[in-house]
Amino acid sequence: TQLLEQSPQFLSIQEGENLTVYCNSSSVFSSLQWYRQEPGEGPVLLVTVVTGGEVKKLKRLTFQFGDARKDSSLHITAAQPGDTGLYLCAGAGVNTGFQKLVFGTGTRLLVSP
Amino acid sequence: EPEVTQTPSHQVTQMGQEVILRCVPISNHLYFYWYRQILGQKVEFLVSFYNNEISEKSEIFDDQFSVERPDGSNFTLKIRSTKLEDSAMYFCASSEGWDRSQASTGELFFGEGSRLTVL
Repeated sequence: TQLLEQSPQFLSIQEGENLTVYCNSSSVFSSLQWYRQEPGEGPVLLVTVVTGGEVKKLKRLTFQFGDARKDSSLHITAAQPGDTGLYLCAGAGVNTGFQKLVFGTGTRLLVSP
Repeated sequence: EPEVTQTPSHQVTQMGQEVILRCVPISNHLYFYWYRQILGQKVEFLVSFYNNEISEKSEIFDDQFSVERPDGSNFTLKIRSTKLEDSAMYFCASSEGWDRSQASTGELFFGEGSRLTVL
């Protein structure tokens, strides 16, 4: 069974701080996605990383896929209250691809003004 | 902007009753999915559906569960005899599809979820 562990589970920071969320597994994934989920809503895709070592930037968010395609990180620079939410990583299996995503345990971020 | 819609938003049912959760995927999408999220736990894959048949399913998706695309627009999840542990938020999702050779983004668009409470 493929598992994705995220750390930290909870993060409470002040506006302007930087933070990094980690997503780790012992399994290899063909690609990895990061989603953000607001209360009462479904997850919304932020980014997909496909190649080992790949780095993608989305404004103040930087996503990296590990060289071995087993882990990923999300770094937020100068966090803002609007970044508050639940961040989920999700891995696409080597054989099943996006047909069967394995979601991480989630990181709940609270950014205070 | 196209979106995935789900009904009902909340259903309360008695243990042992049948429940049908409905979803209208985005119209030009080819893959359809059900995921669930038990309160406080992670999002779990249930089933994916393509070309009118199940393409992948998880261990959770046992004989009590079934999916159907009855009319070309709706995608339903039926739970035949609900158990207490079926209480969860059920998310429908759809995607255009993915092509391993082209490494498409494989973006899943999720609905807002149907909360199922089994008493």
